Amino acid sequence: TQLLEQSPQFLSIQEGENLTVYCNSSSVFSSLQWYRQEPGEGPVLLVTVVTGGEVKKLKRLTFQFGDARKDSSLHITAAQPGDTGLYLCAGPVGSTLGRLYFGRGTQLTVWP
Amino acid sequence: GAGVSQSPSNKVTEKGKDVELRCDPISGHTALYWYRQSLGQGLEFLIYFQGNSAPDKSGLPSDRFSAERTGGSVSTLTIQRTQQEDSAVYLCASSQRQTYEQYFGPGTRLTVT
Repeated sequence: TQLLEQSPQFLSIQEGENLTVYCNSSSVFSSLQWYRQEPGEGPVLLVTVVTGGEVKKLKRLTFQFGDARKDSSLHITAAQPGDTGLYLCAGPVGSTLGRLYFGRGTQLTVWP
Repeated sequence: GAGVSQSPSNKVTEKGKDVELRCDPISGHTALYWYRQSLGQGLEFLIYFQGNSAPDKSGLPSDRFSAERTGGSVSTLTIQRTQQEDSAVYLCASSQRQTYEQYFGPGTRLTVT
């Protein structure tokens, strides 16, 4: 059983479209992180959300943390080919400082 | 400053051989993690070091896998008697003690033939 469920698993869209990917759990997280991984590279941290209901914006990317801190979403406006990559959510559970649980990721492809 | 580095970037080995993968974390980062990523899959946690505490080895898939961290810095992941199912990208990450934010290296692609 995956602690963090991400959906959709795959997403293929045209440049200029909007999209949302989801990260859900039955567990409460003290924080959630979103990473993006491009082929041949390690994941790169995009954002950390900490407070229930929090919304953070990073240019065309909007991240939201659910009020109950069990879910998060990533919305991309006017997607560009450079947004292509594997989007991973991750969060710590319990008091084990540093141990993160990762979702399986959403593979996004944006076609020009 | 320098990021996390890993070596080698690619490793091809024959089934049954032992391999060692190296990770140099960001200077000053006390926590170090190893993950495994198979093609098209998410990250599989392997092991976690935090300062001088006993490592969390709960993710190691078998006793053929081991890791050590010397001097609180460089880490080596060792896979003994490699099997074809060990083929994957092995990623290392480090973080500061008081944060969960992880910085990843580029990974080592291991191919067992």
